[in-house]
Amino acid sequence: AQRVTQPEKLLSVFKGAPVELKCNYSYSGSPELFWYVQYSRQRLQLLLRHISRESIKGFTADLNKGETSFHLKKPFAQEEDSAMYYCALSSYNTDKLIFGTGTRLQVFP
Amino acid sequence: DAGITQSPRHKVTETGTPVTLRCHQTENHRYMYWYRQDPGHGLRLIHYSYGVKDTDKGEVSDGYSVSRSKTEDFLLTLESATSSQTSVYFCAISRTSGSADTQYFGPGTRLTVL
Repeated sequence: AQRVTQPEKLLSVFKGAPVELKCNYSYSGSPELFWYVQYSRQRLQLLLRHISRESIKGFTADLNKGETSFHLKKPFAQEEDSAMYYCALSSYNTDKLIFGTGTRLQVFP
Repeated sequence: DAGITQSPRHKVTETGTPVTLRCHQTENHRYMYWYRQDPGHGLRLIHYSYGVKDTDKGEVSDGYSVSRSKTEDFLLTLESATSSQTSVYFCAISRTSGSADTQYFGPGTRLTVL
């Protein structure tokens, strides 16, 4: 069965510190992976997807099929990065996204 | 905000009463989804629609039904609300299948069942 695991409920860092939000998945085929973000009082929105291989707001994520991971990284956290982050998985034979339980990132000044 | 609205935005109801939540889009997107968001569970898919009158179950569909009679509206009904259905409900849309396309989310509906 498809599953997404985000082991950390809360991650707290100071401004300027590196950030890594962990995401592991289980899926036997070729997954499509996403990171969605929900800032305070805003709607959930797409941050990035692995197929685009892009960097958004300084965040990057690399798909590691060997470790079945898609960790989200940023070298220098900013206070405005504080939000709830969800990793999500889909595959080309379904219409559905499977979300992880989310990690709340707190960036202190 | 991708032209998605949800109504009502907040609702308090009593156990056993029926409740209908509405999702309305102005984007003419084919796919529409209903999720619930709960602490420790993240977002879980309730039902989704891949066209008018075409719907399918998600991960947590028990106790919920949906209808889509027009492209722009996707209704979620709790036939007899229970306290376990207290949650924040999000609607989402995508132009094509969720596996290939970005999902755009509505503002959410906070439902409290007493």
